[in-house]
Amino acid sequence: AQKVTQAQTEISVVEKEDVTLDCVYETRDTTYYLFWYKQPPSGELVFLIRRNSFDEQNEISGRYSWNFQKSTSSFNFTITASQVVDSAVYFCALGRPGYSTLTFGKGTMLLVSP
Amino acid sequence: DGGITQSPKYLFRKEGQNVTLSCEQNLNHDAMYWYRQDPGQGLRLIYYSQIVNDFQKGDIAEGYSVSREKKESFPLTVTSAQKNPTAFYLCASSIAAGGPDTQYFGPGTRLTVL
Repeated sequence: AQKVTQAQTEISVVEKEDVTLDCVYETRDTTYYLFWYKQPPSGELVFLIRRNSFDEQNEISGRYSWNFQKSTSSFNFTITASQVVDSAVYFCALGRPGYSTLTFGKGTMLLVSP
Repeated sequence: DGGITQSPKYLFRKEGQNVTLSCEQNLNHDAMYWYRQDPGQGLRLIYYSQIVNDFQKGDIAEGYSVSREKKESFPLTVTSAQKNPTAFYLCASSIAAGGPDTQYFGPGTRLTVL
């Protein structure tokens, strides 16, 4: 069975702080795919990143970075120098080859205060 | 501009009435999905379709129905059999079936039962 756990329900930080959102996954597949989405207050989910299980290199995109660790089944997301516009709910998701559906975590609400 | 549109953005319904939520995409994607989101909850899959004239039940299909007569359109009907229909409904699409490809989301419809 596939499972995604985002243990942090809500995180509050002050602008310019760094913040890490945790994502732990469970799967029996050797090949799998991991995703992060951002849901701002408007409601629409915005795609951030897709990684496959063979690519363990960390990824950096501007202030965003992702740390994929197979040994701990984690795919954590770090925002450096957070901004108020980063306030949103962030979802981690897991997919398996041959299946179009994804398993989503419950999400982490990030509140960045000025 | 390519994307996914959902209408209406807000919908009010009286108990006992069926209501249909619209989802249209012009991304030429094969697969489409409907999710339900409740406060503090993750995304729960209602139905998905990988090809025209075919669709599969997700985790919470009871009380809902769908059709996929055209590639671009995947309407969701919330029937009177759905016991607690008040929620935020998100439609998504992905390039092909048998992925998992990245899912792209519409802006959502907030349904309130009065």
